[in-house]
This record gives sequence, C-alpha cells and structure tokens, in this order.
Amino acid sequence: DAGVTQSPTHLIKTRGQHVTLRCSPISGHKSVSWYQQVLGQGPQFIFQYYEKEERGRGNFPDRFSARQFPNYSSELNVNALLLGDSALYLCASSLGTGVEKLFFGSGTQLSVL
Amino acid sequence: AQSVTQPDIHITVSEGASLELRCNYSYGATPYLFWYVQSPGQGLQLLLKYFSGDTLVQGIKGFEAEFKRSQSSFNLRKPSVHWSDAAEYFCAVGAVIGNEKLTFGTGTRLTIIP
Repeated sequence: DAGVTQSPTHLIKTRGQHVTLRCSPISGHKSVSWYQQVLGQGPQFIFQYYEKEERGRGNFPDRFSARQFPNYSSELNVNALLLGDSALYLCASSLGTGVEKLFFGSGTQLSVL
Repeated sequence: AQSVTQPDIHITVSEGASLELRCNYSYGATPYLFWYVQSPGQGLQLLLKYFSGDTLVQGIKGFEAEFKRSQSSFNLRKPSVHWSDAAEYFCAVGAVIGNEKLTFGTGTRLTIIP
C-alpha cells in the first residue's frame, strides 16, 4: 500500500510569490495534518483537517491556509512568501483526529529566495 | 501549554556502544509521548510511543524508552548502536484530550563513529 505522498518534493520560489503544496493520505485515512520544519528545528504544527473541516490550527499567520478535498487529499497554500518560510513541509495522515498513530510523508522542501 | 526539551543537540557514539537520548516535557497531566527518527531528506518514522501502563516501552529497531512521571522525562535508550542508527531523533508530546497536534522538541542529531 502507498504511504503518504507529497508533491512536489522540492520547490524554489521568490519572496512575495504564492505556493501550493499537495498531500495524498494513506488510503482510508480521513485526517491530514501539516507541519513546518525549519532547518535545525523540530516540526511545528500548522493545521489539521478531518472530513474536510479544519480541526486545529497552529500559531501561523493568515498567509497560511489549507483545505481538504472529498477524496481526503489536502493542499497547503502560502501567500506572500517570506525568506523565513523556507522549510521542509511535512504532511501526516491518520484515521481519526488523534495523534496516536500519525504517518508522515517525506515532505516538500521549500526554498524562498 | 505543552512543551518538549531535548537538551542534547548533537551526540556522538561509537558503534556497538550504548545510547541514551534525553527528553523532558511540560504538560499539565499525563500526555501521550513519542520518539520519532528522521533520516536526511526523509519524513518522520515512529520509533515508539507511551500512552499509559508499563512505563518501559519497547519500540522498533531495538529502541526502548522509559517514562518517569516524577522527572517529567521520557528518555530513549538502545543497548548497542549500529551505523544505520545515525539520524535525527525527535521527542514529541501530544495531549490526551483535544489532541489534534504533536509538539516536538528541537531534536538530537546522532553520529556513529566506527
């Protein structure tokens, strides 16, 4: 069975641009969470979506938004990119809303120049 | 608010030697506790987790961790490391109620020398 897949794997953008990152959860999983991992730091929680509704939001500005589609895949959007948005963006899927069993994808490495 | 502290940024261990990675957490009650491993350019793989019950938990790849409530600690151990254990290790805490997120520590980078 396929694990959590994220696309693209790498991305280079310039300041002020917009970016869309995509995530496909494990088949049967209805929850998708997004985490940002800045170099040298641990992952930080951005969003959780379950059954297409936002269930949790971390301490990130409104430039960050997400949505979940009927097939449970998800997009993370970041507007007006800043240099500080350069990071590895991780997607995790799970059956429900709890953190007991999260499965992480390999991430999208975003570089903002 | 929940938080995690991993006091060791980088640890170097000889292959075959024992390993202990430290983790301290802050949370108002007994949380869910996790250890994840991350190889370069990869996502996170769950090594083990603690929810309740026996305070010594066994994980994959020969790792174990011990929950000590009195010390708010959840240290990861392995009796004999292998070169393939070189990676970044993250301790994380999750709330039992309202548990939509994990809070991670800053990680410990493990280097193995022959």
